[in-house]
Amino acid sequence: DAGVIQSPRHEVTEMGQEVTLRCKPISGHNSLFWYRQTMMRGLELLIYFNNNVPIDDSGMPEDRFSAKMPNASFSTLKIQPSEPRDSAVYFCASKPIPGSPNYEKLFFGSGTQLSVL
Amino acid sequence: QKEVEQNSGPLSVPEGAIASLNCTYSDRGSQSFFWYRQYSGKSPELIMFIYSNGDKEDGRFTAQLNKASQYVSLLIRDSQPSDSATYLCAPNTNAGKSTFGDGTTLTVKP
Repeated sequence: DAGVIQSPRHEVTEMGQEVTLRCKPISGHNSLFWYRQTMMRGLELLIYFNNNVPIDDSGMPEDRFSAKMPNASFSTLKIQPSEPRDSAVYFCASKPIPGSPNYEKLFFGSGTQLSVL
Repeated sequence: QKEVEQNSGPLSVPEGAIASLNCTYSDRGSQSFFWYRQYSGKSPELIMFIYSNGDKEDGRFTAQLNKASQYVSLLIRDSQPSDSATYLCAPNTNAGKSTFGDGTTLTVKP
């Protein structure tokens, strides 16, 4: 298994531009999480999905942020318009189906380093 | 109050010593508790999990849980330089929500 795949690995953009981060969870996993990590705020949960349905988006900082999961193998996190304070590492993680081995373990992607100038 | 609080770092111990990492959580609905290790520039990886009150040992690592006190800890025995990393505490709720503490950065000096 290739693991959780995120793209791009690095993104540099200018303030005001739209940014789209992508994530492909591990096949068979039914929960997907988006996190943001900064030195100041640590690893923050932004939103998570179960079976492609958003369960808790209370961590999404503003309306500028939106996330979708159109199917079990793909999710996007969009920031429009982007601001310098959005600069961070964004991680996507997935979990197996309850009852399966390691079903509560989070499997992380390599992250997307976002820099908004 | 933050949902998950960890002892402020950084923590520095000499090689071979015991490193003690602590975590308190506010959600009494948390049922399972996870410790992740994150090397600089890398993504977090799971190293320990515990569900029941008491101790759980795995090699040089021991996790301790006290649900009444809402406290979980991680002990690393015979610390090695390769243990130098940030350690993140992550309680899970029944709904499957995984939130993380700010992490404690551990440095093991040769």
